[in-house]
Amino acid sequence: KAGVTQTPRYLIKTRGQQVTLSCSPISGHRSVSWYQQTPGQGLQFLFEYFSETQRNKGNFPGRFSGRQFSNSRSEMNVSTLELGDSALYLCASSLGQGVNEQYFGPGTRLTVT
Amino acid sequence: AQTVTQSQPEMSVQEAETVTLSCTYDTSESDYYLFWYKQPPSRQMILVIRQEAYKQQNATENRFSVNFQKAAKSFSLKISDSQLGDAAMYFCAYRSEWASGSRLTFGEGTQLTVNP
Repeated sequence: KAGVTQTPRYLIKTRGQQVTLSCSPISGHRSVSWYQQTPGQGLQFLFEYFSETQRNKGNFPGRFSGRQFSNSRSEMNVSTLELGDSALYLCASSLGQGVNEQYFGPGTRLTVT
Repeated sequence: AQTVTQSQPEMSVQEAETVTLSCTYDTSESDYYLFWYKQPPSRQMILVIRQEAYKQQNATENRFSVNFQKAAKSFSLKISDSQLGDAAMYFCAYRSEWASGSRLTFGEGTQLTVNP
């Protein structure tokens, strides 16, 4: 079974631009969660989508948004990029019901210049 | 809100020796789950072990075991017979039993070096 895939793996953007990151979960998984990892703030939860609905949201500004499609693939969007948005963005998928393991993707490394 | 603290930013161990990584957490909930994740240089997060708070028995997975002290809100990871491939950043994580969703709260991480 294929693992969680994230595209692109690396991205360089300019301050003020917007960016869209994609995550394809493991087949059969209906939950996708997004995390931001930075050296200063560590791993922080962004949001979770389950069956195309946002189920949980972290403490991030409205510039960060996401969505989930009917095939469970998820995208997150960051508008009006700031230098501080430079980070590794990880997505994780799980079955979504009950406490089951989350499987992480390899991440997208975003650099904002 | 729950918090997770890992007080050891870095640890090192000799190959074949045993090392223990510490984690404490703060919560007002009685039912929850705790995890240890490993993040090697590839950045891929890998689940090492999980513990249900309602279970008194400590979880074990091959060379990895935990010491779960619910009253003390402590959750340490013991790695026995350390191998070079164990070198990685280790994160302790908390998940609520009752809150909806799969949200994990992570600690700051402990960088483990394994010396040959």
